[in-house]
Amino acid sequence: GAVVSQHPSRVICKSGTSVKIECRSLDFQATTMFWYRQFPKQSLMLMATSNEGSKATYEQGVEKDKFLINHASLTLSTLTVTSAHPEDSSFYICSARRWVDNGELFFGEGSRLTVL
Amino acid sequence: AQTVTQSQPEMSVQEAETVTLSCTYDTSESDYYLFWYKQPPSRQMILVIRQEAYKQQNATENRFSVNFQKAAKSFSLKISDSQLGDAAMYFCAYRSSTQGGSEKLVFGKGTKLTVNP
Repeated sequence: GAVVSQHPSRVICKSGTSVKIECRSLDFQATTMFWYRQFPKQSLMLMATSNEGSKATYEQGVEKDKFLINHASLTLSTLTVTSAHPEDSSFYICSARRWVDNGELFFGEGSRLTVL
Repeated sequence: AQTVTQSQPEMSVQEAETVTLSCTYDTSESDYYLFWYKQPPSRQMILVIRQEAYKQQNATENRFSVNFQKAAKSFSLKISDSQLGDAAMYFCAYRSSTQGGSEKLVFGKGTKLTVNP
């Protein structure tokens, strides 16, 4: 099946620093990628929809300047958490849509961010 | 806006037995997709089964099958011959398939399935 890879899988950073998480579709082109956030024992909450070559569409309540999303190529989207604070600590998951197979979504392995 | 409700936060089943996870949803659309995803401790989401709303026949994937009741907006997942490896969080999800509709997945809150040996 299609593979979506996230990197890093775990990251620990100091408060006030910025962290970049990459999401790559390894064997298909993805014009659309999605970024989710998952708190412990909770569901996935969509943060934004990332479209290749255009600005991301953010969900209500998600700070655009806080969570910068760049989808510069058909195989790569990045999420940058700027000036991270402890409350940004979470599990971040990306997914990519492959337009074969009725546009099935494939998920990355997730990235756990811990802000000290 | 569409919503997905999973009323069972936790379920348990004995190995080799059958378990059914419930899911209901709310939508005004007539054409859409429904999914069940599995999230094991590794945290990677894995697609278990998919149902197109226009199809009356219930989807089946090996030991996994669904009971799709469109009028009742119900989409339950049945796991037969449960195995230890089935233990995970299971999420029900909805996606519009109409042109111009939202591409995003709407997830339920999940059901934690425990399989007892």
